[in-house]
Amino acid sequence: AQSVAQPEDQVNVAEGNPLTVKCTYSVSGNPYLFWYVQYPNRGLQFLLKYITGDNLVKGSYGFEAEFNKSQTSFHLKKPSALVSDSALYFCAVIGDTGRRALTFGSGTRLQVQP
Amino acid sequence: DTGVSQDPRHKITKRGQNVTFRCDPISEHNRLYWYRQTLGQGPEFLTYFQNEAQLEKSRLLSDRFSAERPKGSFSTLEIQRTEQGDSAMYLCASSRGTSGGAGNEQFFGPGTRLTVL
Repeated sequence: AQSVAQPEDQVNVAEGNPLTVKCTYSVSGNPYLFWYVQYPNRGLQFLLKYITGDNLVKGSYGFEAEFNKSQTSFHLKKPSALVSDSALYFCAVIGDTGRRALTFGSGTRLQVQP
Repeated sequence: DTGVSQDPRHKITKRGQNVTFRCDPISEHNRLYWYRQTLGQGPEFLTYFQNEAQLEKSRLLSDRFSAERPKGSFSTLEIQRTEQGDSAMYLCASSRGTSGGAGNEQFFGPGTRLTVL
């Protein structure tokens, strides 16, 4: 079975400060990991993914994520937060065996204060 | 790339009525997914097509739910005898289907918000 945990319902950070949104996963086989962002009244937008290779992956809008196999984590990071980054962030996983659909975490609301 | 589109964007219905939603995927994508999202939760998988073949269904997809993708392009999701618990956002996504393509990102539509009174 696949599962994703996002332990923080909300993360608050001041504009200009670095941000981290945490994600841990459980999956059979090797993981394919994704981050999506959801703005109010809009669909989910793809940010970045890890398939294989370099553990640090870079994505849209200056976001990056670090894959850690031993800790089964895939935390989302950004060196300097913007107010416009305030949104709902979802981590998702697919294993390379079995089902072909994403399993999502429950989401973390990021609030960036000016 | 015109994106994934869904119709309608909002649907209000009375308990016991049938509803049907439509999804038009990105044209070159042969995989299509349906998810359901309730307030405060992440999307939950419902079903998945590769071309016109429905390859996987979640246990969430009760016998009141049926999905089709008759020509491998657009898809419909029908809910019969709706219940208040069916109220949710129904999301459609599409992706390229290649060998080992589980790593291809899924692109999501704006969703159809269903309210069952």
